[in-house]
Amino acid sequence: DAGVTQSPTHLIKTRGQQVTLRCSPKSGHDTVSWYQQALGQGPQFIFQYYEEEERQRGNFPDRFSGHQFPNYSSELNVNALLLGDSALYLCASSLALGRGYNEQFFGPGTRLTVL
Amino acid sequence: DAKTTQPTSMDCAEGRAANLPCNHSTISGNEYVYWYRQIHSQGPQYIIHGLKNNETNEMASLIITEDRKSSTLILPHATLRDTAVYYCIVRPALGGNTDKLIFGTGTRLQVFP
Repeated sequence: DAGVTQSPTHLIKTRGQQVTLRCSPKSGHDTVSWYQQALGQGPQFIFQYYEEEERQRGNFPDRFSGHQFPNYSSELNVNALLLGDSALYLCASSLALGRGYNEQFFGPGTRLTVL
Repeated sequence: DAKTTQPTSMDCAEGRAANLPCNHSTISGNEYVYWYRQIHSQGPQYIIHGLKNNETNEMASLIITEDRKSSTLILPHATLRDTAVYYCIVRPALGGNTDKLIFGTGTRLQVFP
């Protein structure tokens, strides 16, 4: 049973560029959440996708956008990259509320460095 | 902002019990206490959760005070592989209007030989 997978593992970009990160949820899960973790900090919630729509959003600017596909996989897009966007980006999958115990399973993360 | 307070760091000798405290004095009646841990350079891993009763699984035990304002995560026999950052999180029960996890800075547990 494959867990949550993320790609790429590491990424280096320059300021102003755009980046796309990808996530495949754990088998049987239909909800994907994205988190940003700066060095030395706990993960911060970016947004959550369910049924191909953004259901919740944290305190992140519109430069951060996402998408969920019919197979429940998801992408995180960040435009106009800033140095402060350098972080570990984590994807977590779960079952939708009301359909069972909704423990979140995390992937290994994508390490983004913005130069 | 996180609704929990944890010590920044703790040490524990290998083979001894590690007791990690968490304060959540503003917890609501419908909120659970969750614990996750994050080993260096990996994603967070679920450990255990509880509402008001003590809970135990193969990884750990969770002791919640009667007033639910604090809890303790117990790793009964710590090993070097338990060295990680441990996060205590308060989260609405199933059916609530939010499913996000709000992480604080956690407790960095160092297990030494």
